[in-house]
Amino acid sequence: GESVGLHLPTLSVQEGDNSIINCAYSNSASDYFIWYKQESGKGPQFIIDIRSNMDKRQGQRVTVLLNKTVKHLSLQIAATQPGDSAVYFCAENFRGAGNMLTFGGGTRLMVKP
Amino acid sequence: DADVTQTPRNRITKTGKRIMLECSQTKGHDRMYWYRQDPGLGLQLIYYSFDVKDINKGEISDGYSVSRQAQAKFSLSLESAIPNQTALYFCATSDSPGLGKGDTQYFGPGTRLTVL
Repeated sequence: GESVGLHLPTLSVQEGDNSIINCAYSNSASDYFIWYKQESGKGPQFIIDIRSNMDKRQGQRVTVLLNKTVKHLSLQIAATQPGDSAVYFCAENFRGAGNMLTFGGGTRLMVKP
Repeated sequence: DADVTQTPRNRITKTGKRIMLECSQTKGHDRMYWYRQDPGLGLQLIYYSFDVKDINKGEISDGYSVSRQAQAKFSLSLESAIPNQTALYFCATSDSPGLGKGDTQYFGPGTRLTVL
């Protein structure tokens, strides 16, 4: 059937600045969340995940924050580099729906030199 | 991820033709998925399979069919291709989530399909 697609929002940042990409998830019962990075012409790649019993998790240059009260997820990228230019997707996992991921719409990050 | 491969990587076909896209994985995962991505848009789930005997429709299954030939293989068919099926197609796999584990999906490199 038809589905209405919204074009991806774009975040433009200066090289070296920190980036914050936001995601509103839909299900308050979701228990696991993932951020994916998709570079042009490639498939999405896993960046970092977080479980619902945590509110913050750090990786290499990336931090994910989870606010369950307002169903909000964010991805922070420190010292953004040109190689960070990509589309970023958040995904939520809800055990009740076959225990599988549901993907958000994505945000395009553009890094200006 | 080289553990998930898709063939062909690019395909141009004509309206009305039957097309099959293939996906293979060496990760030993039970679950496999097919997604469609239109330019500048997000991922839409076409079909998914939780094991060899399990096939489920996703949000946009009309005009598509799938076959799970083995644990490692999941193919997507367009019985009669139409121009608005021009898109990027991604296969993904995941392990069956156990207690405390989520459905982490791993994606193939994608197939770019153009229907003229």
